Amino acid sequence: QQQVKQSPQSLIVQKGGISIINCAYENTAFDYFPWYQQFPGKGPALLIAIRPDVSEKKEGRFTISFNKSAKQFSLHIMDSQPGDSATYFCAASRLYSSASKIIFGSGTRLSIRP
Amino acid sequence: GAGVSQSPSNKVTEKGKDVELRCDPISGHTALYWYRQSLGQGLEFLIYFQGNSAPDKSGLPSDRFSAERTGGSVSTLTIQRTQQEDSAVYLCASSLGSGGSGYTFGSGTRLTVV
Repeated sequence: QQQVKQSPQSLIVQKGGISIINCAYENTAFDYFPWYQQFPGKGPALLIAIRPDVSEKKEGRFTISFNKSAKQFSLHIMDSQPGDSATYFCAASRLYSSASKIIFGSGTRLSIRP
Repeated sequence: GAGVSQSPSNKVTEKGKDVELRCDPISGHTALYWYRQSLGQGLEFLIYFQGNSAPDKSGLPSDRFSAERTGGSVSTLTIQRTQQEDSAVYLCASSLGSGGSGYTFGSGTRLTVV
């Protein structure tokens, strides 16, 4: 059962453009939605995360938009730069459950053209 | 240590051999997770250790896979009678608490079964 669906699988954006990656989840018990960034040969690293009590969270050029009723959330990268080229994973978990682990989406390979 | 350390970084093994992959989590982190990342694929959950609780083994793909965590610190993932479909990057992560926040990943072990 794929609990977190991510799209697109790959994305090419011109430098300075906006990169948008979308995710949808099924389990309404999820209450923590992080995004991870992975460079080749490295493990994923936490980029930004949101709780469902807010509809948007912004950190620098990175913004998460969250739609609780639609069970969807998205990552927007403003003014995309070549250094943003990486694989991005959305994820979900139950933050206060001692038995919870993160469920990841399938990933989006982002390429920023100079 | 400063980060999550995994060894070896690369492992090539012959089909049918057993392999052991090691993970040294961040000191003091009580939760430890193993994930598998196949080429171009997402992160597949394998197993989760939280303190002295029984591990969540629900993601292990077959009984050829096992893992242990000694003394609440170092973990070893063992794959017996390796198959070519076991070829992947095996990632370990640790966190201070449970629920999925604050994951720190290691750089992974790239396993190739020939």
